[in-house]
Amino acid sequence: KQEVTQIPAALSVPEGENLVLNCSFTDSAIYNLQWFRQDPGKGLTSLLLIQSSQREQTSGRLNASLDKSSGRSTLYIAASQPGDSATYLCAVRRGSNYKLTFGKGTLLTVNP
Amino acid sequence: SQTIHQWPATLVQPVGSPLSLECTVEGTSNPNLYWYRQAAGRGLQLLFYSVGIGQISSEVPQNLSASRPQDRQFILSSKKLLLSDSGFYLCAWSTTAGWNQPQHFGDGTRLSIL
Repeated sequence: KQEVTQIPAALSVPEGENLVLNCSFTDSAIYNLQWFRQDPGKGLTSLLLIQSSQREQTSGRLNASLDKSSGRSTLYIAASQPGDSATYLCAVRRGSNYKLTFGKGTLLTVNP
Repeated sequence: SQTIHQWPATLVQPVGSPLSLECTVEGTSNPNLYWYRQAAGRGLQLLFYSVGIGQISSEVPQNLSASRPQDRQFILSSKKLLLSDSGFYLCAWSTTAGWNQPQHFGDGTRLSIL
């Protein structure tokens, strides 16, 4: 059974700091890994999707990496801003199953 | 561009009452559709997914059911709600163009059972 863990559960940083969020998964036989952000009381916004054959994906100040063999992914946020404050979730898709298995998320607070 | 709509945004229902949550997608055809539940302190859990009209797969045995009466419409239902059905319900869609397509989520419905 696939399990996804996100560490830390919460993170508070000052504005302008670079930061890394971690995601680990137990079964390396994944199709892809997706990072989302969730604002309080809202749905999920897709940030990046990394295919199993890729090592990283970049979008603006966000960079996500994937090490499938070790079961790890990181989301790097450069020059953090208060607007980045949200819960960040990672999810993995295994094989041909449509199911995404989610971690419980990291609550990020960027202080001005 | 594609958009996904869920309603209602919030709902308070008594135990034993019926439920109907609706989700529609615009700007795409034949999407894959999903219902998730997010309970306090737990990760998102996939409840149902659909790859076409009338085709529903259930991931978790429960008090809920899903239907897809039209290509871009997905409905989550219950005949009798339980306290344990409380949570945040999210609808999502993805294209069928290959396996590596992201899922896109609606704004969710907050369901409270009294």
